[in-house]
Amino acid sequence: GAVVSQHPSRVICKSGTSVKIECRSLDFQATTMFWYRQFPKQSLMLMATSNEGSKATYEQGVEKDKFLINHASLTLSTLTVTSAHPEDSSFYICSARVRGQGYNEQFFGPGTRLTVL
Amino acid sequence: LAKTTQPISMDSYEGQEVNITCSHNNIATNDYITWYQQFPSQGPRFIIQGYKTKVTNEVASLFIPADRKSSTLSLPRVSLSDTAVYYCLVGDSNAGNMLTFGGGTRLMVKP
Repeated sequence: GAVVSQHPSRVICKSGTSVKIECRSLDFQATTMFWYRQFPKQSLMLMATSNEGSKATYEQGVEKDKFLINHASLTLSTLTVTSAHPEDSSFYICSARVRGQGYNEQFFGPGTRLTVL
Repeated sequence: LAKTTQPISMDSYEGQEVNITCSHNNIATNDYITWYQQFPSQGPRFIIQGYKTKVTNEVASLFIPADRKSSTLSLPRVSLSDTAVYYCLVGDSNAGNMLTFGGGTRLMVKP
């Protein structure tokens, strides 16, 4: 299947700093990428949808000025957590949509564990 | 968006067949049913997808009745490494409908 990578896999930062997470589709072009957040023992929650060359669409309750998303190319989307605080500590997962054979699939990255001290 | 309902957890033993059922009463005509597996601290992994009747691949089978209001993921002869959370999702990402995750089913396979 299609491969999606994330970098970094784990990051620890001080409160108030900004953190950038990269999501790359390695062997395909992804016109749409999705960003999810997952707290311990909980399900994935969609944060935003990122379309190449246009502004991201954020889910209700997600602050677009705090979670900056850039989808500059068909293989790269970035999520920047600005002025991170301890409550932003979570597991962030991206996915990319693949077109093929009459229906779409989403392939997920391995996730990024963010810990804000 | 169609909402899904799954059992919160299931226990099984190695070598057994496991069937996880998902209810999606409000599934739309263009929606597909997709199942993902997730291990701790990893991204979800695609298992299988279907629209109706039965779909089988090398790891699982998916049974979908005619009314499509439910689906059953069947894992043949599970092993300890199948211990994970399994998510059932419905949606038509072709139309831009996002795949929304429900609570998932936490499967524990015991020796």
